[in-house]
Amino acid sequence: AQKVTQAQTEISVVEKEDVTLDCVYETRDTTYYLFWYKQPPSGELVFLIRRNSFDEQNEISGRYSWNFQKSTSSFNFTITASQVVDSAVYFCALSEPHDGNNRLAFGKGNQVVVIP
Amino acid sequence: DVKVTQSSRYLVKRTGEKVFLECVQDMDHENMFWYRQDPGLGLRLIYFSYDVKMKEKGDIPEGYSVSREKKERFSLILESASTNQTSMYLCASSLLLGGNQPQHFGDGTRLSIL
Repeated sequence: AQKVTQAQTEISVVEKEDVTLDCVYETRDTTYYLFWYKQPPSGELVFLIRRNSFDEQNEISGRYSWNFQKSTSSFNFTITASQVVDSAVYFCALSEPHDGNNRLAFGKGNQVVVIP
Repeated sequence: DVKVTQSSRYLVKRTGEKVFLECVQDMDHENMFWYRQDPGLGLRLIYFSYDVKMKEKGDIPEGYSVSREKKERFSLILESASTNQTSMYLCASSLLLGGNQPQHFGDGTRLSIL
């Protein structure tokens, strides 16, 4: 079963519009960690944020913000006032540390295309 | 900054060849990972290692093997390359500390098997 679901495959927005990427996860653990990564056309995945299961505070970093809601098992990502440089694939990932290692379960990614 | 270096950005090999993909990290991380990325399938874990000479199968280990002789280096081996192994391969590393550490990725290797 898919542990991390990113339903929107490709999203196109016009520059300066906001875009929200949905991430729904599934776990039986009470302690877990959620991550977002950005993969620009160059190919390298860049770490954006980590959230632990006990911290439901929303976070803002510049034009990026994250909304973590345990009640709906969601960890959504919003880019405000999008720019062409935001064009990339964005991955949500889940870590369940009960097995003692640091495996990540990735969603299939959201391809964001920002049109100038 | 963590640096994960993959030996090649682009690689073209022939069916049946033995192929080595090399990955080196410079931050003394215990964990190292190999993924492949295919359109519509996201990242899938092939193998990972949490210590020198230790290896664990990921979700799609068939057709691959790995080697970790030194802490900083993790090699992915395609014993007899096949066309269905044409893909983007990504290496990552992280600290071991109980699952809350982000993985740091290399630039990826685009491998084509002809």
